[in-house]
Amino acid sequence: DAGVTQSPTHLIKTRGQHVTLRCSPISGHKSVSWYQQVLGQGPQFIFQYYEKEERGRGNFPDRFSARQFPNYSSELNVNALLLGDSALYLCASSLIGGSSYEQYFGPGTRLTVT
Amino acid sequence: AQKVTQAQTEISVVEKEDVTLDCVYETRDTTYYLFWYKQPPSGELVFLIRRNSFDEQNEISGRYSWNFQKSTSSFNFTITASQVVDSAVYFCALSGTDSWGKFQFGAGTQVVVTP
Repeated sequence: DAGVTQSPTHLIKTRGQHVTLRCSPISGHKSVSWYQQVLGQGPQFIFQYYEKEERGRGNFPDRFSARQFPNYSSELNVNALLLGDSALYLCASSLIGGSSYEQYFGPGTRLTVT
Repeated sequence: AQKVTQAQTEISVVEKEDVTLDCVYETRDTTYYLFWYKQPPSGELVFLIRRNSFDEQNEISGRYSWNFQKSTSSFNFTITASQVVDSAVYFCALSGTDSWGKFQFGAGTQVVVTP
């Protein structure tokens, strides 16, 4: 079975630009979460979506937004990119939303902002 | 607020040695869940184990074992007879019923296994 897939693998953007990252969950999983991982640190929670609704949000500015589609795939959007947004962006899927189920991670999108 | 502390930044061992990774957590939730993930150089986080706060039984899976002690808020992870393929960053994570979907990760412990 296919795992969580993310696209693109790598991305280079300039300060002030906008970026869209995409994620497809494991088949049958209805929840998608997004994390930001800066080099040398643990992942930081950005959002969780379940049944197309935002169910949880981390401490990130409004420049970060996301949505989930009827097929449960998801997009993460970041506006007005800053140098500090350079990171590995991880998508994770779980069977349902909430905190009790393990989350399965994709390979990530490496975003570099210059 | 939830917090996970992995005090060991890096552990270096020679192949076949045992290695224990420490994880200490803080939470006010009465029901919570603990996880361990492995992140090899490829970057993809690999799920290893989930433990809920009501289940304090230790668990063994092959060369991996976990020791959950609620009294000391610790969930430690031991790799027995380490192998070079165990080289990775290992993360401990915590989630609670009051923080929908949010996994609080520790800073990670880099394990380096040399032949």
